[in-house]
Amino acid sequence: DSGVTQTPKHLITATGQRVTLRCSPRSGDLSVYWYQQSLDQGLQFLIQYYNGEERAKGNILERFSAQQFPDLHSELNLSSLELGDSALYFCASSSRTVAGNTIYFGEGSWLTVV
Amino acid sequence: TQLLEQSPQFLSIQEGENLTVYCNSSSVFSSLQWYRQEPGEGPVLLVTVVTGGEVKKLKRLTFQFGDARKDSSLHITAAQPGDTGLYLCAGVTYGGATNKLIFGTGTLLAVQP
Repeated sequence: DSGVTQTPKHLITATGQRVTLRCSPRSGDLSVYWYQQSLDQGLQFLIQYYNGEERAKGNILERFSAQQFPDLHSELNLSSLELGDSALYFCASSSRTVAGNTIYFGEGSWLTVV
Repeated sequence: TQLLEQSPQFLSIQEGENLTVYCNSSSVFSSLQWYRQEPGEGPVLLVTVVTGGEVKKLKRLTFQFGDARKDSSLHITAAQPGDTGLYLCAGVTYGGATNKLIFGTGTLLAVQP
């Protein structure tokens, strides 16, 4: 158990719909990351938040947005869903260590768009 | 765009065999990490290598960071079925609180008993 909690674990929705994925980071971790994993694209970095502020952006579509709340949990909002958005979405959190960034991943949220 | 290419993409071997997975990039990274991911789970950190030329051992796994900090290798000795999984390298670039982790393309390893 990494200590990172993601909900829901599985989600099936129709094209055009909107979903929200939720993440609770490990206790004390200020950084939250969102990743998308698909068979053809691998594990792609979407966005990072640090203590409530957006800190880095990766390959995140304009239809997607995220935020980190004062209690440090984070939500990833996916709208106008397309078939190609079907993927495993991971949240990860980290604390800064001397060795660098040790990132702990949740178990992921499986999104299927039909 | 920073890219990390792993080879091979797929590897199926018998228990007891040795194998090496490579992770290559044209970019220099502050450090490099290796993860293993099992079905239905998120990636789990195995090791972080920081210094060019660094070698780290984790039981039967040996990790090496290239001298120029652009590439890395993972060598498994006497592979076991429990080693089966998706192995991912990840390059780390530091920027204060904006540490970025770029994952490699992955190597899917299957160890047959």
